[in-house]
Amino acid sequence: GENVEQHPSTLSVQEGDSAVIKCTYSDSASNYFPWYKQELGKRPQLIIDIRSNVGEKKDQRIAVTLNKTAKHFSLHITETQPEDSAVYFCAASTPYNNNDMRFGAGTRLTVKP
Amino acid sequence: DGGITQSPKYLFRKEGQNVTLSCEQNLNHDAMYWYRQDPGQGLRLIYYSQIVNDFQKGDIAEGYSVSREKKESFPLTVTSAQKNPTAFYLCASSIGPTMNTEAFFGQGTRLTVV
Repeated sequence: GENVEQHPSTLSVQEGDSAVIKCTYSDSASNYFPWYKQELGKRPQLIIDIRSNVGEKKDQRIAVTLNKTAKHFSLHITETQPEDSAVYFCAASTPYNNNDMRFGAGTRLTVKP
Repeated sequence: DGGITQSPKYLFRKEGQNVTLSCEQNLNHDAMYWYRQDPGQGLRLIYYSQIVNDFQKGDIAEGYSVSREKKESFPLTVTSAQKNPTAFYLCASSIGPTMNTEAFFGQGTRLTVV
């Protein structure tokens, strides 16, 4: 099955700086790559996603890039704010094998004011 | 108010007991999932179901069982065979079964074995 690795496990940045989280996946057939944000004590919620027919997607301060050849995708957060502090999870999903979605181990982002 | 609901929020179990975690959704989603969340290990897939009366094992199914008798319900039983059941359990659903789309999560159940 799919295997997703995520780095770094923790990331601390100063408010206003950029943050980048990287994930790699193993199954070249994976075609859907969502990112979830989990604030302390809350449920994970989708913040952005990308499909394999697109190389980059942007939504305000958040962007995701996908390199299908290298099988990695990254989350970019610009102009970070304290409220961006949370655990971020990447995931990958394939169109076959019953669409099971596999997650990375998570990155704890801390934005210092 | 549409969504996915897990209950209870906190659950305590004595060693050797089975316990069932509830997950209900009114989003009319075909697919439902159970994940276990441990510190530093992210979300690990226990079981998933793409359609009623069908479910598949995930990466860590040993010691767990599920049923999918109704589209809106996907309960998880943590059996006494699960060696280390203390964890945070998350249920999710998505449109499925052939579309890769956003997964909506419940609030989670924190299970503690005492």
